[in-house]
Amino acid sequence: DIQMTQSPASLSASLGETVTIECLASEDIYSNLAWYQQKPGKSPQLLIYDASSLQDGVPSRFSGSESGTQYSLEINSLQSEDAATYFCQQHHDYPWTFGGGTKLELK
Amino acid sequence: EVQILETGGGLVKPGGSLRLSCATSGFNFNDYFMNWVRQAPGKGLEWVAQIRNKNYNYATYYAESLEGRVTISRDDSKSSVYLQVSSLRAEDTAIYYCTRSPWGAFDYWGQGVMVTVSS
Repeated sequence: DIQMTQSPASLSASLGETVTIECLASEDIYSNLAWYQQKPGKSPQLLIYDASSLQDGVPSRFSGSESGTQYSLEINSLQSEDAATYFCQQHHDYPWTFGGGTKLELK
Repeated sequence: EVQILETGGGLVKPGGSLRLSCATSGFNFNDYFMNWVRQAPGKGLEWVAQIRNKNYNYATYYAESLEGRVTISRDDSKSSVYLQVSSLRAEDTAIYYCTRSPWGAFDYWGQGVMVTVSS
């Protein structure tokens, strides 16, 4: 199985700051990566697909990038509504696997 | 508007079985792969199963942790997908989400249905 190692597990940032969340794949997943946001008590929502494509309706302050097997989610100009848990997910090979999640807290 | 609604959750005794249903509307169901993803209380996300569409011969794929105990199926005439889970264990306790895949990512999720396995 492809392992997705997500870091950090949690972080705290202030309004207006920029944060980066990373996922390291255990092997090449050829950009087959998605990012999701989940708020407490809610279903996850797709933010980014194919590593860097922004899902319709998602604010442009969210962006995705890759470098080898390392994938990153950057959130610019943090807003209060960005407080949530973020997950990466690979869909290159079955079984599809998720990262462990990053809980983002706003100071 | 895309709508996905899961039903069939509840309290089940260890060793029991459950059939989850997922009714959809607002899109051409035949065009999409459908999945189940679960989340144990306070934990992360785990992909459970996928069923592809007719173009891909309704191929199915399962998480290894559940293989042999779970069956995913779909009824295109009802725009619905199902998950049959047997030999339930305490560690199967989770919210089960029905999700849509155009290909890889899950672009729409249902609100989820809670399954609790306890005696």
